[in-house]
Amino acid sequence: GAGVSQSPSNKVTEKGKDVELRCDPISGHTALYWYRQSLGQGLEFLIYFQGNSAPDKSGLPSDRFSAERTGGSVSTLTIQRTQQEDSAVYLCASSLITEGPGNTIYFGEGSWLTVV
Amino acid sequence: GEDVEQSLFLSVREGDSSVINCTYTDSSSTYLYWYKQEPGAGLQLLTYIFSNMDMKQDQRLTVLLNKKDKHLSLRIADTQTGDSAIYFCAEKSAGNTPLVFGKGTRLSVIA
Repeated sequence: GAGVSQSPSNKVTEKGKDVELRCDPISGHTALYWYRQSLGQGLEFLIYFQGNSAPDKSGLPSDRFSAERTGGSVSTLTIQRTQQEDSAVYLCASSLITEGPGNTIYFGEGSWLTVV
Repeated sequence: GEDVEQSLFLSVREGDSSVINCTYTDSSSTYLYWYKQEPGAGLQLLTYIFSNMDMKQDQRLTVLLNKKDKHLSLRIADTQTGDSAIYFCAEKSAGNTPLVFGKGTRLSVIA
């Protein structure tokens, strides 16, 4: 597609429920990133994918968070047993590669998650 | 871990210049970026600079990099109300590493 597409754009869920957030990167981009932006905070790195593999999962805040990417394209971020502190904007980004001048990273508009 | 620091707020009058500052700790940074986030929107890449450069100009935007002091700044000339947004500084190290972002500077432009 023309840009990074994320869905849902807004999600309200009850505490304890599982949620799935989807990211469709720019066609041909091999690198995909997930960040979290909480109110008044900067962007917190969660995980990135190079192709289908995730070399760096260090940013996932707990084992309730997981992500996968299939076919080198769409990625899903899953949060199990959601807690109120999970409320945030989840931003997905993609880039052509992870190194070098071609590494311009493009962001989607985010999935706004509210846990009540 | 690596850290990127920015002041949280800046207020300027329309037509004045805005200067947003950023400091970072990673001495192996290869690229430094400025992103803009308007209310309710994602991040839009404004400009980036390679670590071997000290200045880059793009229309109303001027980026200055002092690599010795690990200080990056973004100057917006003739600031307009449409420039009101949050501006994020980010740095990237060599290798397969993600961008590290600051907390963002909220720029308010007063008409």
